[in-house]
Parts: sequence; structure tokens; C-alpha cells
Amino acid sequence: GAVVSQHPSRVICKSGTSVKIECRSLDFQATTMFWYRQFPKQSLMLMATSNEGSKATYEQGVEKDKFLINHASLTLSTLTVTSAHPEDSSFYICSAIRWVEAFFGQGTRLTVV
Amino acid sequence: DAKTTQPPSMDCAEGRAANLPCNHSTISGNEYVYWYRQIHSQGPQYIIHGLKNNETNEMASLIITEDRKSSTLILPHATLRDTAVYYCIVRSNFGNEKLTFGTGTRLTIIP
Repeated sequence: GAVVSQHPSRVICKSGTSVKIECRSLDFQATTMFWYRQFPKQSLMLMATSNEGSKATYEQGVEKDKFLINHASLTLSTLTVTSAHPEDSSFYICSAIRWVEAFFGQGTRLTVV
Repeated sequence: DAKTTQPPSMDCAEGRAANLPCNHSTISGNEYVYWYRQIHSQGPQYIIHGLKNNETNEMASLIITEDRKSSTLILPHATLRDTAVYYCIVRSNFGNEKLTFGTGTRLTIIP
């Protein structure tokens, strides 16, 4: 099956700093990628839809100025958590669709201290 | 909002068939039923999907009722590695439609 890779898999950062998470589709091109966030013992919550060459579409309640999404190429989308705070600590997961099937990255565990 | 309801948890003995139910009574004609699973601290993994016919692949079987208002995912011979949260999702196959996750079923395989 298709492969979606996220980097880093784990990151610890200090409160107030910014963190960038990369999502790559390794063997296919993805015009659309999705970013999810998952808190412990909860389901995946869609944060935003990343569209190559255009602005991302954010779900209600997600701050676009805090979670910056860039989809500069057909194989790469990035999520930057700006001015991170401890409450931003979570598991972030990206997804890309090839044809009609969604493939997920392995996730990024962000811990803000 | 998720369009499916699933039991929060289930247990199954190792080696037995695990049958995971899902209700999707408001499914529309162009929506497929997808199943994904998530093993702890990993991204979701695709299992199977179907429209109205039963489907089978190397991982599982999907049984969809005739009225399409419910379905059952069957893992024929459960192993300990099948312990995971299983998500049933309805979604159309048009373009790049997003997947909306419900709460899923936490399946525990018991030795």
C-alpha cells in the first residue's frame, strides 16, 4: 500500500516555541492532506484540510494563526504549532488520499514543557 | 459529527472470530463503509471498505446488511496483535472527502 511518512515521531519543546511537523507521501502525489489531533483515550479530531497550492481549510474552533499549514508540493505538507503551550501536547496525525483510499502517517507525539 | 455508532469495547478470545458491529442508519446512497484500526500510539491502518456487497480481503470480511443501515467487521482468527481501536466510518468516494472518526470500539484479544 501507499506510504505516508511523518517526521518527527516524537518531539519535546519548551513552552512558547514553535514546532514543525512534516507529512510526506512517499510514493504518490497528494493534492489534499488532512491533519488530525488526538488526545489520550480520545478519537482523532480533524483539524484542517491542507490543499496543495492554496490555503488550508480549518475546522471550527481550530486557530489558523496558531496551527500554520503549508502544502507547498504534491508530496509534502507541514504543520507548525506556533507559540506552543502545554495544552497543545497531543498526538498529531496526517493523512493523504490516493484515489479513494486514505493513508495515515505514523503520528507525531508532541510534548510541550 | 460521526455518522456511525459502535460499542465502546469488546473482548475476544485468541483464535476465535471477532465480530465488530457498526450502525450507520443515516448512510446515503453514495457513501461507502470504511473500517480502520489504530494500534496504540500509531496512525490508523486501513482494513476494508464496501458499498453494499460483502467484501473480503486478507485481513477481514465486511458484512453489510441489505438496507445498509449496519455492518459487521469480522476478523476470522483473532490474534493478540489485533488488539486495537476499530473505527467504522461512512464516506463518499468523491474526490478528497475527509474521514470523520467516531469513538470506535476498543477490541481486546484475550490469550
